[in-house]
Amino acid sequence: GAVVSQHPSWVICKSGTSVKIECRSLDFQATTMFWYRQFPKQSLMLMATSNEGSKATYEQGVEKDKFLINHASLTLSTLTVTSAHPEDSSFYICSAAGRLAMGEQYFGPGTRLTVT
Amino acid sequence: AQSVTQLDSQVPVFEEAPVELRCNYSSSVSVYLFWYVQYPNQGLQLLLKYLSGSTLVKGINGFEAEFNKSQTSFHLRKPSVHISDTAEYFCAVSDRNSGYSTLTFGKGTMLLVSP
Repeated sequence: GAVVSQHPSWVICKSGTSVKIECRSLDFQATTMFWYRQFPKQSLMLMATSNEGSKATYEQGVEKDKFLINHASLTLSTLTVTSAHPEDSSFYICSAAGRLAMGEQYFGPGTRLTVT
Repeated sequence: AQSVTQLDSQVPVFEEAPVELRCNYSSSVSVYLFWYVQYPNQGLQLLLKYLSGSTLVKGINGFEAEFNKSQTSFHLRKPSVHISDTAEYFCAVSDRNSGYSTLTFGKGTMLLVSP
């Protein structure tokens, strides 16, 4: 149980275009979803937290107009990187937590974004 | 606010040897404690967690960790490692009273197991 999927697993896009990453909880209702960014050989950096049906809460320094997060249902959240630039290239990981999570999050497999 | 310190960025060890990965945390509130493992180009997988009760927690793949409140530590141990244990290990904490389950991660420890 507690499986989280991400799609796509990797994507290459041209500078200036937008790309959408999907995060789905397959077997539980995710009341809260998290989006992280991870640079090579570094820890996860929390970008934003979203609750179903509410606007996402962004961490300091994260541009909310550039990284659009939508949490439309209890099983789906999307991250759209708008007008992507090479410096946005990174590994993006989502996680999900249920109502009685007691701190535990279930992580997706990650999406490798390369902007050329 | 919480913080997590993983004292070793890299731990080399020979196969079948024991290993301990250290984790210390700082928090003004009670916390839940977690260890996650990340294999290359993959997401994080939960190894074990401490929520309450016995301070010795057993997880998957033969790993265990002990919560020490007085030393604010949650070190991860395995009595005999395998090559397949080579991965990045992250210690994390979460505020017990937080409704959002936000995790604070350490910087990670790379476990390198060689034959």
